[in-house]
Amino acid sequence: QVHLVQSGAEVKKPGSSVKVSCKASGGTFSSYALNWVRQAPGQGLEWMGGIIPILGSPNSAQKFQGRVTITADESTSTAYLEVTSLRSDDTAVYYCARGTTPWDYNCPMDVWGQGTTVTVS
Amino acid sequence: EIVLTQSPGTLSLSPGERATLSCRASQSVGSTYFAWFQQKPGQAPRLLIYGASTRATGVPDRFSGSGFGTDFTLTINRLEPEDFAVYYCQQYNMSPHTFGQGTKLEIK
Repeated sequence: QVHLVQSGAEVKKPGSSVKVSCKASGGTFSSYALNWVRQAPGQGLEWMGGIIPILGSPNSAQKFQGRVTITADESTSTAYLEVTSLRSDDTAVYYCARGTTPWDYNCPMDVWGQGTTVTVS
Repeated sequence: EIVLTQSPGTLSLSPGERATLSCRASQSVGSTYFAWFQQKPGQAPRLLIYGASTRATGVPDRFSGSGFGTDFTLTINRLEPEDFAVYYCQQYNMSPHTFGQGTKLEIK
């Protein structure tokens, strides 16, 4: 059974960057999409993008292109989300979530990390 | 992008009753690429339904999903106390994989 563990909470200044990690254990890593979803305080869920590690090229929402980088390190089974030029409205809980089907971005997400709180202030 | 609109925003029911939650898409997503999630306070979302009608592993059979194209429904029969939460729909047919704004199911 796959388990996803994310890095700890971060407090950042506006204009700075943050890099959140998501380490997978207990299952296949490289061929499944690792997605990033964020949730601002009291708000709904927002899909940011995902990556299939063995393919390398992420599939990101256009809204975040240019400010968000999604990468993965197969050697450590870890995915990363980097957000630059942070603004106050980037304050949110950031979740990683794995897709159910190998080699497929267009599949549901059934295993989720515990979430990482990023506060921009 | 595909916009998902959930209704109602809040649903107040009692344990034992049936809940019917709706989600309408701004364009067709077929049925294969549609999911429902449950989220409780302080927790990550939990996948309930995918492919519009298939229950995820471990999801009780009182949860059922239906729909095709632009209109989808999540039905929860015989509400249990642990079912009171926020529910989100999601389409994963086209990028970005958008979510609805959520329906809060609260105890009446």
